[in-house]
Amino acid sequence: DAGVIQSPRHEVTEMGQEVTLRCKPISGHDYLFWYRQTMMRGLELLIYFNNNVPIDDSGMPEDRFSAKMPNASFSTLKIQPSEPRDSAVYFCASSLVTGATEAFFGQGTRLTVV
Amino acid sequence: DAKTTQPNSMESNEEEPVHLPCNHSTISGTDYIHWYRQLPSQGPEYVIHGLTSNVNNRMASLAIAEDRKSSTLILHRATLRDAAVYYCILRDSTGNQFYFGTGTSLTVIP
Repeated sequence: DAGVIQSPRHEVTEMGQEVTLRCKPISGHDYLFWYRQTMMRGLELLIYFNNNVPIDDSGMPEDRFSAKMPNASFSTLKIQPSEPRDSAVYFCASSLVTGATEAFFGQGTRLTVV
Repeated sequence: DAKTTQPNSMESNEEEPVHLPCNHSTISGTDYIHWYRQLPSQGPEYVIHGLTSNVNNRMASLAIAEDRKSSTLILHRATLRDAAVYYCILRDSTGNQFYFGTGTSLTVIP
């Protein structure tokens, strides 16, 4: 497996535009996590899915953020409309449904909203 | 939310052992202790995990206190490539509650 794949690696957009970040988890993994990382707040858990179903979205900062997982091999994180304070690195991770195994992270998407 | 406490930063000389501490006084009986590290400009990567017994792998060793309220990640010989932020995380038996704290930023001095 190629690991967790995120796209794009870098995204620069203007304030007010819609941004869509994409993630392909490792095949067979049941959990998918979305994180946001900034210098000020560190790594924040935004939302996670179990078997494509959102379980906890309490970390999603505002209604401008939404996440979907239409199937086991694909998830999106959408920001509409984007704002400069959304600038951050967004990570996706996947794992099996157990605390006894490791989680795998993607390389992240660096989002810059100007 | 994060249930672990780590020092903000530590330094080590190259090729010397490093002991990174973590306190998790509210750990429950089914929580696994995980360690991840994040190299500059990369996503977090798994280092090691354990439940009750000490664990060794090719990257590091994990020493878990008998009461499980603390643990120590041991890098046996620090290299410059080990300079990273190290996170100690608790995951319950179902694998959720995967929250990161502030971690320990390790500097390795040549």
